[in-house]
Amino acid sequence: DSGVTQTPKHLITATGQRVTLRCSPRSGDLSVYWYQQSLDQGLQFLIQYYNGEERAKGNILERFSAQQFPDLHSELNLSSLELGDSALYFCASLRGGGGSTDTQYFGPGTRLTVL
Amino acid sequence: AQSVTQLGSHVSVSEGALVLLRCNYSSSVPPYLFWYVQYPNQGLQLLLKYTSAATLVKGINGFEAEFKKSETSFHLTKPSAHMSDAAEYFCAVSDRGTDKLIFGTGTRLQVFP
Repeated sequence: DSGVTQTPKHLITATGQRVTLRCSPRSGDLSVYWYQQSLDQGLQFLIQYYNGEERAKGNILERFSAQQFPDLHSELNLSSLELGDSALYFCASLRGGGGSTDTQYFGPGTRLTVL
Repeated sequence: AQSVTQLGSHVSVSEGALVLLRCNYSSSVPPYLFWYVQYPNQGLQLLLKYTSAATLVKGINGFEAEFKKSETSFHLTKPSAHMSDAAEYFCAVSDRGTDKLIFGTGTRLQVFP
């Protein structure tokens, strides 16, 4: 058990809909990273938050957004969903904000299926 | 830009045989390198990491990896494969500024009895 929790575990929805994925980091970790794992794109970084502030952005679509709340949990919002958004979405947490040798600990993921 | 390349999307070995999973990196600064394992329907678990201390890094479950700067490689090995090692393995390099991970395409390891 990594100590990172993600809900829901599975999500099935229709094209055009909006969903919210939730992540709670390990106790004491200030950074949350979101990754997408899909068959065609592999594992890719989406966005990082550190202590409530956006720190880095990767290949995140404009239809996607995220935020980190004062209690440090994070939500990834996906809107106007398309079939191609079907993927496994992971969050990971890390103690610091960057430039460290700390380890990222991954949650179990949310599997999103868009029909 | 930093990147990693994993050679071989599938590797098959017999139980008890040597496991060798290849990873080459590209980085303009001394890299921090990682190997993660993903079992079916599970998240990513850290096997080991290199952060410029010792070049031979020992991880969990009997795995180890050797950092070779001259070859820009960070191959993962295990002397004797076990059926429970069947999984997908990802090599990753960490971006120094943000610690975001840049992953390779993964290698699926099959272990035959």
